[in-house]
Amino acid sequence: QSALTQPASVSGSPGQSITISCTGTSSDVGGYNYVSWYQQHPGKAPKLMIYDVSNRPSGVSNRFSGSKSGNTASLTISGLQAEDEADYYCSSYTSSSTLKVFGGGTKLTVL
Amino acid sequence: EVQLVESGGGLVQPGGSLRLSCAASGFTFSSYEMNWVRQAPGKGLEWVSYISSSGSTIYYADSVKGRFTISRDNAKNSLYLQMNSLRAEDTAVYYCARDEHGDYGYWGQGTLVTVSS
Repeated sequence: QSALTQPASVSGSPGQSITISCTGTSSDVGGYNYVSWYQQHPGKAPKLMIYDVSNRPSGVSNRFSGSKSGNTASLTISGLQAEDEADYYCSSYTSSSTLKVFGGGTKLTVL
Repeated sequence: EVQLVESGGGLVQPGGSLRLSCAASGFTFSSYEMNWVRQAPGKGLEWVSYISSSGSTIYYADSVKGRFTISRDNAKNSLYLQMNSLRAEDTAVYYCARDEHGDYGYWGQGTLVTVSS
């Protein structure tokens, strides 16, 4: 069982917006502004999409945005495109003995 | 261009050992902290281990502590993961990842480790 809880799947039509949630505790998501999001296409390595809750690395589309409220972080993808179809993982720094925890992943289907 | 290339994966029996390598290029390897992250088949990501740029600070996930050893050779631009006492649940694709202030900005293509008799 993953430390952070994500929905198993979400879907949306091209052009729509979707939001993926990531719920943790005060020891990880809620306690630090060190939440990140990764996109992974089948058979590929993950790609960093959001870091420090809401920052985008250079080259990542501004259609991707992140936020946090309490122990829950969120990734929003606006203007859905076919190439956004992938698995998305959240992660967070944690004060536990494990340095970093991940969510179980969310499969995004673009209808 | 930043490149990370893992090698050393393969089939190993339970209780066996394996040493993974990650060859880095396209950046000043000695300036960056590095990590190993794994992904079991069809499952999510799991952080495995971290090493500071000098190698003086190391962390492990509880699931591998005492069995795995991370190391690096900055002269050879290489990162390593020595895995001992391997278990079936260690079966996964192992990625090396460059640390970007606690996040993983660059990843290798991964190397598959299968633990089975």
